[in-house]
Order: sequence, then C-alpha cells, then structure tokens
Amino acid sequence: DAGVIQSPRHEVTEMGQEVTLRCKPISGHDYLFWYRQTMMRGLELLIYFNNNVPIDDSGMPEDRFSAKMPNASFSTLKIQPSEPRDSAVYFCASSLGDIQYFGAGTRLSVL
Amino acid sequence: AQTVTQSQPEMSVQEAETVTLSCTYDTSENNYYLFWYKQPPSRQMILVIRQEAYKQQNATENRFSVNFQKAAKSFSLKISDSQLGDTAMYFCAFIQVQGGSEKLVFGKGTKLTVNP
Repeated sequence: DAGVIQSPRHEVTEMGQEVTLRCKPISGHDYLFWYRQTMMRGLELLIYFNNNVPIDDSGMPEDRFSAKMPNASFSTLKIQPSEPRDSAVYFCASSLGDIQYFGAGTRLSVL
Repeated sequence: AQTVTQSQPEMSVQEAETVTLSCTYDTSENNYYLFWYKQPPSRQMILVIRQEAYKQQNATENRFSVNFQKAAKSFSLKISDSQLGDTAMYFCAFIQVQGGSEKLVFGKGTKLTVNP
C-alpha cells in the first residue's frame, strides 16, 4: 500500500483565499484524522471520522474550517477565508485499530 | 483529560551511544496504548514503537526499547547504538479507547540530535 497520501505538499496563498487540503487514507482503514502542527501548540487533533462519519470536531478552531469525507478513500479540509494564523503543517492520518499512520503533511503558508 | 508530558525539549548524543527520552502521562483509565513517533526533518510522522498498557513486558523494536512503568505512568524510550539517521523530533503519544472512539494525545516532543 502507498500509505496515506496528502496533497498538495506545500500551499502558499494570500489571506482571504479559500484553501483545500486533500487526503487519501490507507485502503481498508475505517478512521481518518486531521491534525494541525505548529511550533506554539504542537500537534492538535482537529477532527476525525469513523466510516466516513464525523465523530468529533471539537478541535476545529472556528467556522472557517470545515472537513468532509464523501467516501472511504477521500477527505478534504477546507479553510475559507484563510488567515495568516492558519499557517501550519496539516497532517492526515488513518487507522484500523489503535495505530495511526500519517501522511507526509501539507505545509500551508498564508501571506 | 489525558495529558502527555515530555520534559526534555532537546537532547543530544554521540553516534553509537545510548540515549533515553522521558515521557509521563496522566490518565485514570486502565486500558490504553502508548506510542513513540519519530518526525525527521522530512516531517513524516513515523511510528517507532507501541506498548499495550495491559502487557507488563516492555516493547522492543531492534535498537529501540521502552521502559514502561504503569504505576508511575512513565514511558521512556531507549535508543541503543544511536545512528545519524535517528536525528529527529520524538513524540510520545497516548490513546485511550473509549466508546469506540480513538483520540491520540501527543506530548510536545523532544528534539534529538545524534552527533558524529
């Protein structure tokens, strides 16, 4: 298996623009997680899905953030409008059981 | 709420020597899992080792081993025969299975540098 695949690897955008991050989980995994990593706050869980259904979105910082999982092989994290404080590395992870496997992350820079 | 504490922000070790990274956690539950993840400069999060709380035997993966002290809520990582490729951020993580949901809680990380 190719592992968890995230795109794009890097994203640079201007404040106010919409940003969409994409994730393809490992085939057969039933959980999908979105994390954000910053120097100040470390790794934070934003939202996670089980069998494509959002289970806990309490980590989503505000209404500008939304996530979807239309099917078992694809998820998106959208920020609209983006702000400079959203600059971070965003990770997607998937699991079947207790071990989470991470993608390579998307480095987002909002200017 | 569960918390994970890594008290060493940075550490360094000479190549071929042994280093131990510390981790403590706080939980009132009895059934959980503990992990060490490695994040090299490439930023990929890589699972290093996993420990099941109900197993007393310490987990080992090649040069990596843990010292799991359940009563003390301590979970340290020992790296033997350190290699330059071990240079990375190391994150201790805890997961508690509750009601079918699985939320992974991370420590702040320890930056390990292996010197030639």
